Amino acid sequence: GAVVSQHPSRVICKSGTSVKIECRSLDFQATTMFWYRQFPKQSLMLMATSNEGSKATYEQGVEKDKFLINHASLTLSTLTVTSAHPEDSSFYICSARPPLAGDEQFFGPGTRLTVL
Amino acid sequence: AQSVTQLGSHVSVSEGALVLLRCNYSSSVPPYLFWYVQYPNQGLQLLLKYTSAATLVKGINGFEAEFKKSETSFHLTKPSAHMRDAAEYFCAVSLPNFGNEKLTFGTGTRLTIIP
Repeated sequence: GAVVSQHPSRVICKSGTSVKIECRSLDFQATTMFWYRQFPKQSLMLMATSNEGSKATYEQGVEKDKFLINHASLTLSTLTVTSAHPEDSSFYICSARPPLAGDEQFFGPGTRLTVL
Repeated sequence: AQSVTQLGSHVSVSEGALVLLRCNYSSSVPPYLFWYVQYPNQGLQLLLKYTSAATLVKGINGFEAEFKKSETSFHLTKPSAHMRDAAEYFCAVSLPNFGNEKLTFGTGTRLTIIP
């Protein structure tokens, strides 16, 4: 149980285009989902916390107009990288927390974004 | 604010040898501590966690970690390494926050097992 999927697993796009990444909890409902960014040889950095039905809470230094997060249902959150540029190339990872799970998060396999 | 430091971005051990991955934390209040493992092309998987109960925590796949407040450490160990243990390992910390905990990760340690 507690499986989280991400789609796509890998995406290459041209500079200036927008890219949407989906995060789904497959066998549980997630009231809270998290989006992380991982640069090569660096740790995961929390970008934002997404609660179903409300606006996402962004970490300091993360542009909310650049990284649009939508958590429209208890099993789906999306991250849209708007007007992507090469510096946005990274590994994006989501995680999901079931209700009453306390501190536990279940992670997706990640999405590798390359902006040309 | 909280942080973790993982000493050694790469660790190599022989199959059957002791595995020791180091993690030190900084926190203003008693923290929750975690170890995650990431296999290639897969998501992070929780190995074990410390949440103020027993200081020696046993996890999956034969791993364990000991919370040492005096040393602000939470090192991960396994008595005998297997080839399947080759992966990236992340230490993480969070502060108790009534179910709204956020994780802060270390930079990771890549474990290589030598046959």
